[in-house]
Amino acid sequence: DAGVIQSPRHEVTEMGQEVTLRCKPISGHNSLFWYRQTMMRGLELLIYFNNNVPIDDSGMPEDRFSAKMPNASFSTLKIQPSEPRDSAVYFCASREGTGPEKLFFGSGTQLSVL
Amino acid sequence: KNEVEQSPQNLTAQEGEFITINCSYSVGISALHWLQQHPGGGIVSLFMLSSGKKKHGRLIATINIQEKHSSLHITASHPRDSAVYICAARGGADGLTFGKGTHLIIQP
Repeated sequence: DAGVIQSPRHEVTEMGQEVTLRCKPISGHNSLFWYRQTMMRGLELLIYFNNNVPIDDSGMPEDRFSAKMPNASFSTLKIQPSEPRDSAVYFCASREGTGPEKLFFGSGTQLSVL
Repeated sequence: KNEVEQSPQNLTAQEGEFITINCSYSVGISALHWLQQHPGGGIVSLFMLSSGKKKHGRLIATINIQEKHSSLHITASHPRDSAVYICAARGGADGLTFGKGTHLIIQP
C-alpha cells in the first residue's frame, strides 16, 4: 500500500484565499484524523472521522475551517478565507478501526499564508 | 483535559549512548503513542501501548499506568536516530493530546 497520501505537499497562498487540503487514507482504514502542527502549539487534533462521519471536531479553530469525508477513500480540509496565522503543517492520519491500532501519518501539507 | 509533558525538550548525546525520553500525563488514558518525526517532517508511529513494555529493535517503550508515566529508550544510539520524538496520550474521546516533543541529536 502507498500509505496515507496528502496533497499538495506545499501550498503558498495569499490572505483571504480559499485553501483545500486533500487526504487519501490507507485502504481499509475507517478512522481518519486531521492534525495541525505549529512551532508554538505543537501537534493538535483538528477533527476525527469514523466511517466517514465526523466524530469530534472540537479542535477545529473556527468557522473558517471545514472538513469533509464524502467516501472512505477521500477527505478534504478547507480554509476559507485563509489568514497568516493558519500557516502550519497539516497532517492527515488513518487507522484501522477504533481500537488499539497504530496510526499512520501522511507526509503533511506545508501551508504558508502570506 | 489531559496535560502531556515530555522531558527533556532537547537532548544531545554521543553515538552509542543509552537514551531515555520521558512522558507524563495528567489523566487516565486508554493508550499512549510514541511518534518519531524525521528532520524532513514525516511522522512515523513507533509504538502504541496501554500497559507494560514493547520492544522494536533498539527501541523500547514502557508505561506505568499507576504513575501516569511512559519512557522511550534507545540503546546503542546512532546519528540516524536524530529526530523529534513525540508522545501522545489517547483519552476516551479518541483524540490524541500531544507532548511538545523531544529534539534528539546523536553526534558521531
